[in-house]
Amino acid sequence: LAKTTQPISMDSYEGQEVNITCSHNNIATNDYITWYQQFPSQGPRFIIQGYKTKVTNEVASLFIPADRKSSTLSLPRVSLSDTAVYYCLVGEENTGGFKTIFGAGTRLFVKA
Amino acid sequence: SQTIHQWPATLVQPVGSPLSLECTVEGTSNPNLYWYRQAAGRGLQLLFYSVGIGQISSEVPQNLSASRPQDRQFILSSKKLLLSDSGFYLCAWSVGRQGTEKLFFGSGTQLSVL
Repeated sequence: LAKTTQPISMDSYEGQEVNITCSHNNIATNDYITWYQQFPSQGPRFIIQGYKTKVTNEVASLFIPADRKSSTLSLPRVSLSDTAVYYCLVGEENTGGFKTIFGAGTRLFVKA
Repeated sequence: SQTIHQWPATLVQPVGSPLSLECTVEGTSNPNLYWYRQAAGRGLQLLFYSVGIGQISSEVPQNLSASRPQDRQFILSSKKLLLSDSGFYLCAWSVGRQGTEKLFFGSGTQLSVL
């Protein structure tokens, strides 16, 4: 059963690059790594997904080393509105269904 | 485009009363559907997920139940609410094969049991 470990919280300042690392030592061969962002009183929002190496979109970059036992979400030049909880997820090993489990996430606080 | 509707947005119920939260998805067929609950300041707890009509998997044994009477409708119910049922309830749907699915969430229902 794949599990993830993330820092509980992080602080940053506006304009800085923020890197949030997630450990997933037991990731299965076919599993992808997916990150979500959640603001208070809202549901999580998909940010980015990747399998290996690097993935970039208009919001973030995702770096995945060759062993895939960890991944790093990179947010370039954060603003106050990036203050949110960020969740790292990996697919569950075959349990007979789409069982998407969220961990505790990383609470990012961006300061002015 | 796909949309997900979840209602009501807020709900205040007395202990022991029944509950029914409804979620519908538009613009897709045979979605995977999920119910999550989030206590204040905590992470998301998966309650139920469904890969098809009438197919419900329960993750947490409790006094809640879920049903999927139609392909794009997911209902969360309780016969008698407990204080501990208070929380933020989120419905979601997903696309993609197992392990690559991306979840799309509704706007949530804030339930207060008093």
